[in-house]
Amino acid sequence: EVQVVESGGDLVKPGGSLRLSCAASGFIFSSAWMSWVRQAPGKGLEWVGRIKSKSDGETTDNAAPVKGRFTISRDDSKNTLYLQMNNLKAEDTGVYYCTTSLRKVLRYFDWHAFDIWGQGTMVTVSS
Amino acid sequence: EIVLTQSPGTLSLSPGQRGTLSCRASQNITSNYLAWYQQKPGQAPRLLIYGASTRATGIPDRFSGSGSGTDFTLTISRLESEDFAVYYCQQFGNSLWTFGQGTKVEIK
Repeated sequence: EVQVVESGGDLVKPGGSLRLSCAASGFIFSSAWMSWVRQAPGKGLEWVGRIKSKSDGETTDNAAPVKGRFTISRDDSKNTLYLQMNNLKAEDTGVYYCTTSLRKVLRYFDWHAFDIWGQGTMVTVSS
Repeated sequence: EIVLTQSPGTLSLSPGQRGTLSCRASQNITSNYLAWYQQKPGQAPRLLIYGASTRATGIPDRFSGSGSGTDFTLTISRLESEDFAVYYCQQFGNSLWTFGQGTKVEIK
């Protein structure tokens, strides 16, 4: 079964740090471009950032609100994606989803969409 | 960054009615790079449409996508009870991917 499972969400104080993990299974993780998407309570979806596959340079891009504070990394030997969050702020509170495009893994040219989503992990930043 | 603006914010319709949701981009997007998602409370988003107009696996044909350039549309031809949800568009047009703010389709 193709799936991704997030973990690591917790209650943390402003200025603190937290690392989220996303365990993937059922597909060739090393070929996937992995993303994090978050959702503040009662708000819309916000793309946080992405890491490309090693064969595509393993480069990362982050959205402006988290640039310089959040770092995305991957361990292909463990089929795991990470999100290191530093200097957390109240506005970082929300559900964090791990997501990817299976169509890209399967090398479809029209892969631009997220067709695999985890159930999310909750991060609360509060004193 | 490409900004996606969805309208209306809320759409109040009755079952059986047609729903038309708009997504406007701040700059041109290649059609292949526009997707639509449905999200219900407490659930992860579900992919509906990719490439602006192609239905994802298992998506009923009452959902259709269209558009190009900066203007895209998601149409639900005849709303069923399970279609009342929030819908998001998303673009992959440059290195920074973004979502629209969402349109809530509610029961009138």
